[in-house]
Amino acid sequence: AQSVAQPEDQVNVAEGNPLTVKCTYSVSGNPYLFWYVQYPNRGLQFLLKYITGDNLVKGSYGFEAEFNKSQTSFHLKKPSALVSDSALYFCAVRWSSGGYQKVTFGIGTKLQVIP
Amino acid sequence: NAGVTQTPKFQVLKTGQSMTLQCAQDMNHNSMYWYRQDPGMGLRLIYYSASEGTTDKGEVPNGYNVSRLNKREFSLRLESAAPSQTSVYFCASSEGTGVRVGTQYFGPGTRLTVL
Repeated sequence: AQSVAQPEDQVNVAEGNPLTVKCTYSVSGNPYLFWYVQYPNRGLQFLLKYITGDNLVKGSYGFEAEFNKSQTSFHLKKPSALVSDSALYFCAVRWSSGGYQKVTFGIGTKLQVIP
Repeated sequence: NAGVTQTPKFQVLKTGQSMTLQCAQDMNHNSMYWYRQDPGMGLRLIYYSASEGTTDKGEVPNGYNVSRLNKREFSLRLESAAPSQTSVYFCASSEGTGVRVGTQYFGPGTRLTVL
């Protein structure tokens, strides 16, 4: 079955420090991977995606993610965390079934950046 | 462009009541989705529509019906609400069908409480 796992419910990091939010996936075929961010009382917003090509993907707000095929991971990273980065982060994998796209989301990781 | 809009923003129902959640997008997207978000469960797909006139069940379709009224609008109906349907509901849309891959754009959500 297609799945995505976010092993950490919450990640705490001090402002200015690098941050990593982890994601691993299980999907047959080539994975299409996404990261979304959700601020309180808002819908999800797209951050970045990996389809093919360079394993390091750059996205919005200074975030980047590294695709690692051998480890089936797609971790979200940022070199220097801001308090305003505090939010809920979702990893998602998109796959095709019967000619249609389907998507599976992880359960989300709450990022808390401490001033 | 308004993007994806949802109405209402909040709703309180009694068990057994019915209601329809409305969703519209102005990005000319083919695909539309309804998700529910529950604590510790992430986003779960209820129904999706790959194109106007087609709908398919997602992961948790029981107790819901949908209508893809036209390319812009995709409504979600609860015929007889139950407390287990207390959740935050998100509508989303994306480009493409079939093997094309598109970023999803989310509405602001509807917070539904069933007493």
